[in-house]
Amino acid sequence: AQSVTQPDIHITVSEGASLELRCNYSYGATPYLFWYVQSPGQGLQLLLKYFSGDTLVQGIKGFEAEFKRSQSSFNLRKPSVHWSDAAEYFCAVGAEDKIIFGKGTRLHILP
Amino acid sequence: KAGVTQTPRYLIKTRGQQVTLSCSPISGHRSVSWYQQTPGQGLQFLFEYFSETQRNKGNFPGRFSGRQFSNSRSEMNVSTLELGDSALYLCASRSGQGDSGANVLTFGAGSRLTVL
Repeated sequence: AQSVTQPDIHITVSEGASLELRCNYSYGATPYLFWYVQSPGQGLQLLLKYFSGDTLVQGIKGFEAEFKRSQSSFNLRKPSVHWSDAAEYFCAVGAEDKIIFGKGTRLHILP
Repeated sequence: KAGVTQTPRYLIKTRGQQVTLSCSPISGHRSVSWYQQTPGQGLQFLFEYFSETQRNKGNFPGRFSGRQFSNSRSEMNVSTLELGDSALYLCASRSGQGDSGANVLTFGAGSRLTVL
């Protein structure tokens, strides 16, 4: 059965510091992988996606993620966070069948 | 291109009542998925409809149902509401067929249901 694990419920980083949010998945084949961001009171916005090819994918707002098949991971990174990055981040896995989401990581930014 | 539209945005119901939520997908998208979002549980998959047929289903009781119309608009219904049904219900659409890009979900802003 497919599953997504985001081990960190909350993460706090200082503005300007680097960020890495972890995501591990379980899936029978090579899945499609996604990262979404949700600001308070809003729906989810796609940050980036991986379907195939280059394992390092670039997204919007300066985010990138790396697919590591051997570790079943798809971690999200940003070299320097901004206060506006404070939000909840969701990793998702799926394909033509259903797409399921992790429970999310809430990012807090210290000034 | 208009985004995914969900109505109503907010509603309050009492236990035992039923509720119907509506979702209009992006024009041309034939797949509509529904998710329930609650604190601590994240987004839980309810079901997906494609061309008026339920294509996938999550692990929710039969009180949760849905349907899709010929214009791809979808509704979900929750009968005999319980306090635990209080949540943000998110709808997402995707084209649902074609290349890998067809599997990117675009979300609406959600319908926040409070059950008293």
